[in-house]
Amino acid sequence: QLQLQESGPGLVKPSETLSLTCTVPGGSISSSGYYWDWIRQPPGKGLEWIGTVYYGGGTSYNPSLKSRVTISVDTSKNQFSLKLSSVTAADTAVYYCARHPNPYSSSWIWSGTHFDSWGQGSLVTVSS
Amino acid sequence: DIQMTQSPSSLSASVGDRVTITCRASQNVNNYFNWYQQKPGKAPKLLIYAASTLQSGVPSRFSGSGSVTDFTLTISSLQPEDFATYYCQQSYSTPFTFGQGTNLKIK
Repeated sequence: QLQLQESGPGLVKPSETLSLTCTVPGGSISSSGYYWDWIRQPPGKGLEWIGTVYYGGGTSYNPSLKSRVTISVDTSKNQFSLKLSSVTAADTAVYYCARHPNPYSSSWIWSGTHFDSWGQGSLVTVSS
Repeated sequence: DIQMTQSPSSLSASVGDRVTITCRASQNVNNYFNWYQQKPGKAPKLLIYAASTLQSGVPSRFSGSGSVTDFTLTISSLQPEDFATYYCQQSYSTPFTFGQGTNLKIK
């Protein structure tokens, strides 16, 4: 398992853009074996998958957030980032970065995956 | 989206008890199904993946079973460190979705 590390502001004003970065140790962000994710958890509530990015730049987003989310990767810095625009109080949550193994087999058949490494979480509060 | 429904939402048990938590998917997810444990203030920790495969380093008292839509997490003999919240998750399709959680408390 890998220990990922989130960083970014803990307080964001309503209507502004939330920005977080996740640092991946050891340069492994460029591995073809993994995808890199953002997952959030509002206080006292459950987990919501936000989206994922591959080292080549390909992304997939949760449709519930797709219009406001951008996830990008910077392999030179071993980092990937989350931007969530037009935030409201409902976006207040602990934001986790995580990793999942490539769900495609060698024959490019979907074979499922799981989140095997996580950051410690970063609480972002949306408030004026 | 595939909906994941866990039961019970909350459970009280004693050290040494055998505990079972269930999760039902709203459609077939094959065995693309995982279980996580989360303690207060910590990130979730992967326990079981592919429905029944124990993640490296996870004690053997944890086991998973099931397929298609119905899955079970069993803890054979509860230890003090097992009191936590447990989440199920499907990886059959995106968006990946989680159950609402089961809060396992000390009786």
